[in-house]
Amino acid sequence: ETGVTQSPTHLIKTRGQQVTLRCSSQSGHNTVSWYQQALGQGPQFIFQYYREEENGRGNFPPRFSGLQFPNYSSELNVNALELDDSALYLCASSLEQGAGEQFFGPGTRLTVL
Amino acid sequence: SQQGEEDPQALSIQEGENATMNCSYKTSINNLQWYRQNSGRGLVHLILIRSNEREKHSGRLRVTLDTSKKSSSLLITASRAADTASYFCAPRNNAGNMLTFGGGTRLMVKP
Repeated sequence: ETGVTQSPTHLIKTRGQQVTLRCSSQSGHNTVSWYQQALGQGPQFIFQYYREEENGRGNFPPRFSGLQFPNYSSELNVNALELDDSALYLCASSLEQGAGEQFFGPGTRLTVL
Repeated sequence: SQQGEEDPQALSIQEGENATMNCSYKTSINNLQWYRQNSGRGLVHLILIRSNEREKHSGRLRVTLDTSKKSSSLLITASRAADTASYFCAPRNNAGNMLTFGGGTRLMVKP
């Protein structure tokens, strides 16, 4: 157990809808990163937040957005869902900025119909 | 981007055998990390090896790093059925603040 939790576990949405995924980091971890993992592939970096500010972004469009709160929780929001957004979404918290050891949550499986 | 590429893509061995997975990357790194993922679950950090280290051990795991060849290997000794999982390497350079993962090696250990 990494101490990182995510909700919900599974989610089904239809194309065009909006979704919010939630993550609770380990206490004391002020950095959270979000990843998208399509079936059979490695995780792809979406963005990272450090002390409630975006601290780096991967190759994802603006309809992917995030928030980080002072209580070590964070959100990933995706607007105008597309079929290709179906994936496992992982959050990972860490003590430091950048890419030190990261502690992953179990993920949210999103299916877009 | 600084993405690790794992090789082989899939590996099937018998319990008790050793498993070796390789990772190659393209540019200079600050460190390289190995993670394990059980089917459909989150990733678990295994080992972080820094660019000035050549070898690191953790239990049955041994990681080597050759910065001249831009490659790393993960050796699992005396494998167990519970080692069945996907294994990913994630090289990290100084400029980026992200981990970039390749497609992973899918290891199956048969009892």
